[in-house]
Amino acid sequence: DTAVSQTPKYLVTQMGNDKSIKCEQNLGHDTMYWYKQDSKKFLKIMFSYNNKELIINETVPNRFSPKSPDKAHLNLHINSLELGDSAVYFCASSPMGLSSTDTQYFGPGTRLTVL
Amino acid sequence: KQEVTQIPAALSVPEGENLVLNCSFTDSAIYNLQWFRQDPGKGLTSLLLIQSSQREQTSGRLNASLDKSSGRSTLYIAASQPGDSATYLCAVQGGSEKLVFGKGTKLTVNP
Repeated sequence: DTAVSQTPKYLVTQMGNDKSIKCEQNLGHDTMYWYKQDSKKFLKIMFSYNNKELIINETVPNRFSPKSPDKAHLNLHINSLELGDSAVYFCASSPMGLSSTDTQYFGPGTRLTVL
Repeated sequence: KQEVTQIPAALSVPEGENLVLNCSFTDSAIYNLQWFRQDPGKGLTSLLLIQSSQREQTSGRLNASLDKSSGRSTLYIAASQPGDSATYLCAVQGGSEKLVFGKGTKLTVNP
């Protein structure tokens, strides 16, 4: 069974559209994350939620809105998509979050292409 | 602000060679340092996690070291195999949940 799953795997859309990416983890972890990997392969955190509560919100345009209906799910909604939003978006989870022994488990990524 | 640098950006070696990947970070106040592997079109897989109080971790043919005071880590891969070909990412966790990643080293092991 997949530990961290994301849907869709690929998303191609027009500029100005609104889209959502879903993430689910079946590991029983308390903390979930969204990362963005740009065309230069640089991986950078966007958001972190712990037990449905927002913990980290990096300097991300407010067109991006994460939503955590329960601690096993963290969805990412993007309004008014722009060309610069094209990237691979990774969801991840970790058992508790702020712990010196916690590693993060990553989903397979969603490749978003904005035309 | 934490910055993580990985050298080299790409490395190509013949099968069987031992190799070292390097990672450096600017702020030594870290909780842990982690090495990940990323295969093309796939997510990241955690390889090794070194806590700030530790000097090294080993898993199979992989050995990672940490020198927190100098802000450096190395990932040593023994007897490399074509299946080791991937991008290797170093990441440090500071005083929050977030990981700060380097840009990675793309490794190619030629049969």
